[in-house]
Amino acid sequence: AQTVTQSQPEMSVQEAETVTLSCTYDTSENNYYLFWYKQPPSRQMILVIRQEAYKQQNATENRFSVNFQKAAKSFSLKISDSQLGDTAMYFCAFIFSGGTSYGKLTFGQGTILTVHP
Amino acid sequence: DADVTQTPRNRITKTGKRIMLECSQTKGHDRMYWYRQDPGLGLRLIYYSFDVKDINKGEISDGYSVSRQAQAKFSLSLESAIPNQTALYFCATSLGVNEQYFGPGTRLTVT
Repeated sequence: AQTVTQSQPEMSVQEAETVTLSCTYDTSENNYYLFWYKQPPSRQMILVIRQEAYKQQNATENRFSVNFQKAAKSFSLKISDSQLGDTAMYFCAFIFSGGTSYGKLTFGQGTILTVHP
Repeated sequence: DADVTQTPRNRITKTGKRIMLECSQTKGHDRMYWYRQDPGLGLRLIYYSFDVKDINKGEISDGYSVSRQAQAKFSLSLESAIPNQTALYFCATSLGVNEQYFGPGTRLTVT
């Protein structure tokens, strides 16, 4: 079974600075997607960014970008110009796009990010 | 209006009681999921359904059952609640293998 590991239980950053959250995963498959979800104190799960494994280009969404290293099975999230509203729990997640585990999302343990003014 | 709704939003119940959590979606998605969130464990899949006639167990289905009443409705039941089922429960939907859209969550406490 695939696993997703987030090794940083908590991180903090000053407003306007850059922070990187780490995620590694374990799979023998080639066809999958990776996601970062944000969970603010309201507890709503919000999609931040998505990466298809077959794409070499790293995904970017405004201040959020990823560093996807397929061979190393690493998928880190970089938040630039951090804002107070970025304070949240961040989850890395993995989903197969084929095989018997098709369509099932596996989450990491989460990283609590606090942005300080 | 929210695309994925869950009722109730919060619930306190006693050990041994039967409880049902409901999920409805207006996104027209074929796939629906139930997860539970525990501190330090992330979200774990309880059950999932790829269409009305397709129900599958996730990694932690023991003690839970589900019903897909229609494409838009997916309910989770705890037949006899126990304290270690105290958690935050999320329903989610997706269109094929794509990002999942989550409901607001149900905070369940079993005393």
